[in-house]
Amino acid sequence: DADVTQTPRNRITKTGKRIMLECSQTKGHDRMYWYRQDPGLGLQLIYYSFDVKDINKGEISDGYSVSRQAQAKFSLSLESAIPNQTALYFCATSDARDRPRNEQFFGPGTRLTVL
Amino acid sequence: GQQVMQIPQYQHVQEGEDFTTYCNSSTTLSNIQWYKQRPGGHPVFLIQLVKSGEVKKQKRLTFQFGEAKKNSSLHITATQTTDVGTYFCAGPNGNKLVFGAGTILRVKS
Repeated sequence: DADVTQTPRNRITKTGKRIMLECSQTKGHDRMYWYRQDPGLGLQLIYYSFDVKDINKGEISDGYSVSRQAQAKFSLSLESAIPNQTALYFCATSDARDRPRNEQFFGPGTRLTVL
Repeated sequence: GQQVMQIPQYQHVQEGEDFTTYCNSSTTLSNIQWYKQRPGGHPVFLIQLVKSGEVKKQKRLTFQFGEAKKNSSLHITATQTTDVGTYFCAGPNGNKLVFGAGTILRVKS
């Protein structure tokens, strides 16, 4: 969905490096999420934000941090990347007014490899 | 915490055969959502079920929500190669969604 973009789309980095993944959306949604996808484990929530001043930890936040720079931008950082953070990362958005549907719209994903 | 379990993990069918994936929650759900992820793609919302015992159809796809609102199923009739991908169910936990691990569907033509 071109309304939710992620950069970079692919990244290879080395252990110990700091990495930032960026997400932008033009949907005007207030809620944004970061997920991690590993084979056989589905989508695991890392962090989520319901507005610019709201940041919440998800199921697997250790080793990650986020920044909500604006309503349309939500960045995920790995302060010191490690190999088991190799995964496919998705950003998603939803609209709090979209009740009761609360559909989430996903970006195209960032494939991160940590060597 | 709340868990959403999905079976099977993987299914390989001959084109034209039917396919079903099942989703079970450890807690009662207010609603359940289904998403499809094509190979190399991102999850895309398919449907939301809200009512106990609800059944909804989208062409060859039939979605059911259990009477106790703890389980759901997605059935595809006469699969086609365009059905390949991973199907996820997801249930709300507060303001978040908890996703099942997904069922990978492969269709042999």
